[in-house]
Amino acid sequence: KQEVTQIPAALSVPEGENLVLNCSFTDSAIYNLQWFRQDPGKGLTSLLLIQSSQREQTSGRLNASLDKSSGRSTLYIAASQPGDSATYLCAVTDDLQGGSEKLVFGKGMKLTVNP
Amino acid sequence: DTGVSQNPRHKITKRGQNVTFRCDPISEHNRLYWYRQTLGQGPEFLTYFQNEAQLEKSRLLSDRFSAERPKGSFSTLEIQRTEQGDSAMYLCASSPLQGEAYEQYFGPGTRLTVT
Repeated sequence: KQEVTQIPAALSVPEGENLVLNCSFTDSAIYNLQWFRQDPGKGLTSLLLIQSSQREQTSGRLNASLDKSSGRSTLYIAASQPGDSATYLCAVTDDLQGGSEKLVFGKGMKLTVNP
Repeated sequence: DTGVSQNPRHKITKRGQNVTFRCDPISEHNRLYWYRQTLGQGPEFLTYFQNEAQLEKSRLLSDRFSAERPKGSFSTLEIQRTEQGDSAMYLCASSPLQGEAYEQYFGPGTRLTVT
């Protein structure tokens, strides 16, 4: 059974810091990995998707990397801003040979960027 | 492209009542997913449709839960005889037919409170 872990559960930093958010998964046979952002009481906003054949994806100040063999992904946020404060969730889709397209989520990491 | 919409956004009901939620996916997305998220946890998969066919159901989807997607467009999730443990955010997501990425786009969610 696939399990996704995000450590730490919360992080508080001053504005301007470069951040690394970690995600690990137990079964390396994944199809893709998505990073999401969730604001309090809201739905999920997709930030980046990395397919299993890729090693990284970039969007603006965000860069996500994937090391499938070791079961790890990192989300790098450059020059953090107070507006980046949110919960960040990592989720994987298992190898589609199993027939499932569901996302398996970690519990998320609550980020607070202080001005 | 107006995004995934969900109605209602909030629902308060008394234990034992039935509730129904609606999800309208992004147009032309043939895949539709339901997830449930409780406080402090990541979303958990409930069920998945490809067009009108329900292809996968989680063991979390007890007999009191039923989901439909009658014409392959919008979907409804019904909970019968609600229990306090059903209180959660119910999230809907959709993904397109084209492409291999299977990226999922989420709606704003329906927050259910059972009193």
